[in-house]
Amino acid sequence: DIQMTQSPSSLSASVGDRVTITCQASQDVRNYLNWYQQKPGKAPKLLIYDASSLETGVPPKFRGSGSGTFFTFIISSLQPEDTATYYCQQHFDMPYTFGQGTRLEIK
Amino acid sequence: QVTLKESGPGMVKPTQTLTLTCTFSGFSLKTTRMRVTWIRQPPGKALEWLARIDWDNYKFYSPSLKTRLTVSKDSSKNQVVLTMTNVAPQDTATYYCARVRPDSTGSLDYWGQGTLVTVSP
Repeated sequence: DIQMTQSPSSLSASVGDRVTITCQASQDVRNYLNWYQQKPGKAPKLLIYDASSLETGVPPKFRGSGSGTFFTFIISSLQPEDTATYYCQQHFDMPYTFGQGTRLEIK
Repeated sequence: QVTLKESGPGMVKPTQTLTLTCTFSGFSLKTTRMRVTWIRQPPGKALEWLARIDWDNYKFYSPSLKTRLTVSKDSSKNQVVLTMTNVAPQDTATYYCARVRPDSTGSLDYWGQGTLVTVSP
């Protein structure tokens, strides 16, 4: 299985800040990388697919980039509603593994 | 409008077989390139990809669970069923079904609300 490692595991930021989450794959996944947001008690929500494509209806404050084994996910202009756990997922090779998640707290 | 909803027993005993049903609307598994995936999440832990079934009945399972999982579909009822044999306490999790984006093989654009399954004597 391809291992996905996210960093950091958790972070705290203030309203208006910009934060960056990284995701490293144990092997090349090209651009087959998704980012999801999961709020407490809710199902995950697709934000970014294929490394940098914004899912329909998702605000452009969420941005993804990268290819191969290293990916970044940026959230700009943080708001309290961005409090969530964020997951990366590769869909290059089955099983389509997820990262361990990054918990974001808004101070 | 695409919706999915999981249903299951809530609680099962160790060694029993777990059966979960995903009932969906807004798309059809008779349509080319439609796929449904199962994912689970133990309490407080990360997401785990379990299995996928495609419009043409192609199926793929996580290798670590392959011997215990079976996924099937009833396209006329818009349902996908996941069975897991010989459950154990570590199978306690919220189980989700999700639709795969039609232009993708693995991007999950619509999710069910999840159903919590507790494995306990």
